[in-house]
Amino acid sequence: AQSVAQPEDQVNVAEGNPLTVKCTYSVSGNPYLFWYVQYPNRGLQFLLKYITGDNLVKGSYGFEAEFNKSQTSFHLKKPSALVSDSALYFCAVRAYNTNAGKSTFGDGTTLTVKP
Amino acid sequence: EAGVAQSPRYKIIEKRQSVAFWCNPISGHATLYWYQQILGQGPKLLIQFQNNGVVDDSQLPKDRFSAERLKGVDSTLKIQPAKLEDSAVYLCASSSGGGGPHYEQYFGPGTRLTVT
Repeated sequence: AQSVAQPEDQVNVAEGNPLTVKCTYSVSGNPYLFWYVQYPNRGLQFLLKYITGDNLVKGSYGFEAEFNKSQTSFHLKKPSALVSDSALYFCAVRAYNTNAGKSTFGDGTTLTVKP
Repeated sequence: EAGVAQSPRYKIIEKRQSVAFWCNPISGHATLYWYQQILGQGPKLLIQFQNNGVVDDSQLPKDRFSAERLKGVDSTLKIQPAKLEDSAVYLCASSSGGGGPHYEQYFGPGTRLTVT
């Protein structure tokens, strides 16, 4: 069975500092990996995804993520955090080996960026 | 383009009552998903439709939950009878491209259900 772990419930950073939100996964076969962000009282919004190719993927709002196959990780990063980045972030994995590709989400990491 | 629409946004019912949620996906998106998000957890897939056919309902509690997607566009999710543990946010999402696993999903705002 596939799974996603987000080991930190909460990440706090100061505005202007780099941020990292961690994600590790377990899946049979090659993974498709996604990051979504959830603002209060709103649905999840897609940030970026890894399908194949370059291990460093870039997404919306200056976010990027690095796929590391040997460590089965897909950490979300941003060089300089903004207060407006404060939100709940979810990592998700889908399996390559089935067309249905059921999504499995982590339990989320709350990012707080302080001025 | 218009996003995924859901209604109602909030619903409070007593246990053993029934409730229904409605979702209208992004125009042209053939794949529709229903998720349950319990407070403090990530979304859990309940059912996935490809057009009006069910692709995956392995995590749908079929003794009380049902879903349909007539005509391959909008969808309804029903709970009958509701239990206290059904209190959650129910998210609808859609994706393009035949629902393949490399396509991102677009989520609606969700329906917050409280069962008392």
